[in-house]
Amino acid sequence: DVKVTQSSRYLVKRTGEKVFLECVQDMDHENMFWYRQDPGLGLRLIYFSYDVKMKEKGDIPEGYSVSREKKERFSLILESASTNQTSMYLCASSLGTTGSNTEAFFGQGTRLTVV
Amino acid sequence: AQSVSQHNHHVILSEAASLELGCNYSYGGTVNLFWYVQYPGQHLQLLLKYFSGDPLVKGIKGFEAEFIKSKFSFNLRKPSVQWSDTAEYFCAVASGNTGKLIFGQGTTLQVKP
Repeated sequence: DVKVTQSSRYLVKRTGEKVFLECVQDMDHENMFWYRQDPGLGLRLIYFSYDVKMKEKGDIPEGYSVSREKKERFSLILESASTNQTSMYLCASSLGTTGSNTEAFFGQGTRLTVV
Repeated sequence: AQSVSQHNHHVILSEAASLELGCNYSYGGTVNLFWYVQYPGQHLQLLLKYFSGDPLVKGIKGFEAEFIKSKFSFNLRKPSVQWSDTAEYFCAVASGNTGKLIFGQGTTLQVKP
């Protein structure tokens, strides 16, 4: 089974802190994604990576950056956390770009609270 | 730009009623289509998927969806809902060029017993 693991289930951080959310997948997937999930807004794509060191901005990249130095690991960085970044963050991965390879597998989510 | 729109934000049905949730996408190229479900307090779960072939696809728990290319739609249906179908439903589209996966805003379904 594909496993996507997020380093923390719950995090509480202070305003202004630099926050790192880590995600690891074990199936040699090419694509990795970071989303945030908020009530009534669905899952909004923050960043998408289609290869090591390759990334593409999603719909809401402001205030975030990402790092993908190794294929299996995709990190989301909040440069200076703010209260409006309090949310559920979901990491996902998919094998590739065509057909069934685009099916995404999700981590368990990180509930981040910024105080 | 790739986008997904779910028309119904909140749907309330009685048990045994039929369900149809709308999903439209905007993307000019090849697409791969998904419906996910999230039960209260649980993680996202794949309901069904479409990549090619028969545009009517069947998923788990009696759900089905129909891809209508000319309408850029992928509506979810179930003939008779149950109380246990109470959940949030998300439509998602992956670009056939990049694999980029975009979600709709979600539809909350409440089924009254």
